[in-house]
Amino acid sequence: AQTVTQSQPEMSVQEAETVTLSCTYDTSENNYYLFWYKQPPSRQMILVIRQEAYKQQNATENRFSVNFQKAAKSFSLKISDSQLGDTAMYFCAFMGLSSNTGKLIFGQGTTLQVKP
Amino acid sequence: EADIYQTPRYLVIGTGKKITLECSQTMGHDKMYWYQQDPGMELHLIHYSYGVNSTEKGDLSSESTVSRIRTEHFPLTLESARPSHTSQYLCASRGRGDQPQHFGDGTRLSIL
Repeated sequence: AQTVTQSQPEMSVQEAETVTLSCTYDTSENNYYLFWYKQPPSRQMILVIRQEAYKQQNATENRFSVNFQKAAKSFSLKISDSQLGDTAMYFCAFMGLSSNTGKLIFGQGTTLQVKP
Repeated sequence: EADIYQTPRYLVIGTGKKITLECSQTMGHDKMYWYQQDPGMELHLIHYSYGVNSTEKGDLSSESTVSRIRTEHFPLTLESARPSHTSQYLCASRGRGDQPQHFGDGTRLSIL
């Protein structure tokens, strides 16, 4: 069975600084996707960034980038130039491709507070 | 932007009532999902559907049931609500290929 672990329950960062959120996972599958989702307080869960396991190049979306280490089963999220609007709970998620269900396995989440 | 809608956003109701949480999407997605999330915690999959007339139980056991009579509609029902059902319920849908899941706003359910 797949598992996703986020070992940082809470993080804080000063506005304009850089922060890295950690995520590790365990799977026996070779083909899968990894995602970071953002859930602001009382608001909709939205996709931040995703990574295909077969791609060696790390995904980047504006201020958000990942460090994907497939052998180590590590998938960290780096937020550059943090903004107040980045305050949210961040979830790392895994989607295996072997079963075609498309279901996501989520980590426990990391609450990020961006301070002015 | 994904168009997936959940109603109600908030529901406070007494024990023993029958509840239906609505989820609709306008994107024609085949796959739909229900997750349960306690405050500040991770999401757990409780139901999913591959398409019309297809429903499967998820990884977390739930007393709720679902139906999928139309592609766009995936309601979740609790026949007799109990305080242990108090939680947030998130609906999601996904298109074909490598499309990610898109989430609704969620329903915060509180059973007194």
